[in-house]
Amino acid sequence: EVHLVESGGGLIQPGRSLRLSCAASGFAFDEYAMHWVRQVPGKGPEWVAGISWNTYSIGYADSVRGRITISRDNAKNSLFLQMNRLTSEDSALYYCAKGGGTAVAYSYFDSWGQGTLVTVSS
Amino acid sequence: DIQMTQSPSSLSAFVGDRVSITCRASQNIDHYLNWYHQKPGQAPKLLIYGASTLQRGVPSKFSGSVSGTDFTLTIINLQPEDSATYYCEQTFSTPQTFGQGTKLEI
Repeated sequence: EVHLVESGGGLIQPGRSLRLSCAASGFAFDEYAMHWVRQVPGKGPEWVAGISWNTYSIGYADSVRGRITISRDNAKNSLFLQMNRLTSEDSALYYCAKGGGTAVAYSYFDSWGQGTLVTVSS
Repeated sequence: DIQMTQSPSSLSAFVGDRVSITCRASQNIDHYLNWYHQKPGQAPKLLIYGASTLQRGVPSKFSGSVSGTDFTLTIINLQPEDSATYYCEQTFSTPQTFGQGTKLEI
């Protein structure tokens, strides 16, 4: 069974940095693209970033490009999201999601973690 | 970015009813359209991908169809557990974008 566990969220001041992690198990992590999707409570999901199985293809939402870096460690079955220059607009529940294939695009999110909450506030 | 216009925003139905939810893409997305539902306090769950392919383990009461840039999710024989917010999502181009959601009450 696929299991995704996010960590690293919390209360952070505007302008600071935060690194989220996602520990994956129950599937061949190095064979699938992985994504971060965030959701403000009461609002719809927003795709943040995705990374292909071999890291050759990476994509970002316009709202985070230049401030956020997605990465993965296939040897450790782990996905990461480095977030810099955080603003209140980044406050949300951040989900780690498994892609349906190797590529970032043309796919779907077939498994999700339970999310880690990021609150950006002074 | 590709915009996904989802309708209706909310829907009330009765046990045993059939309902349809529609998403219209702002441009061609081929068949790269997925449907999810989300219950309070839970992560979204994939129901249908590729416009009409049922995700493994999802009951066949859910079905998807496409006509041009209009995509439809149909649910038959509604049960109380189908109460949720339903989202469409396009993955034809980056950034992947979601519809605004449809809250379904049974």
